[in-house]
Amino acid sequence: NAGVTQTPKFRILKIGQSMTLQCTQDMNHNYMYWYRQDPGMGLKLIYYSVGAGITDKGEVPNGYNVSRSTTEDFPLRLELAAPSQTSVYFCASGDSAYEQYFGPGTRLTVT
Amino acid sequence: LAKTTQPISMDSYEGQEVNITCSHNNIATNDYITWYQQFPSQGPRFIIQGYKTKVTNEVASLFIPADRKSSTLSLPRVSLSDTAVYYCLVGDADNYGQNFVFGPGTRLSVLP
Repeated sequence: NAGVTQTPKFRILKIGQSMTLQCTQDMNHNYMYWYRQDPGMGLKLIYYSVGAGITDKGEVPNGYNVSRSTTEDFPLRLELAAPSQTSVYFCASGDSAYEQYFGPGTRLTVT
Repeated sequence: LAKTTQPISMDSYEGQEVNITCSHNNIATNDYITWYQQFPSQGPRFIIQGYKTKVTNEVASLFIPADRKSSTLSLPRVSLSDTAVYYCLVGDADNYGQNFVFGPGTRLSVLP
């Protein structure tokens, strides 16, 4: 099992550009999550999904969108990138909300 | 939403037992306590989860008193590789999206 994979590992965006962060899991988990982590801080939940076709907002959803068309994939879309979105983004999945398996992260810089 | 409070940092030496305490005074009846570990440049990793009394696995033990207003993660005989940030989370699965908040955590430094 590859677990949770995220692409790209690193990305630099210019202000106003858009991009999609990819997340795929091969553990057949129903629950998937997107977090962002700013330097020296804890993780903040952006969006989550409890199954294909079902998504909901977390603590900091503004400026992001998600979709969940399959069990395996949970892409995160950034529209009109801003410097405040510079962060490390983690995708996670799990059978329950308690035990989540995290991907390696995507380090995004917006300049 | 149960707020948690942990020490910002702790130091220990190799071979010692480390206890990290988390306060959660307004924990709700359906809430569970979960601990994660995060190494630099990696995503967090689940360590242990409990509801009351004591839970033990191959990595750690979790002690929860009867009033459940706090919990203590115990790491036996730490090594340099246990240097990481440890997060305490409190919530219930019915509100998974909103309840699980990763605060700043406790930065554990294990010294030789």
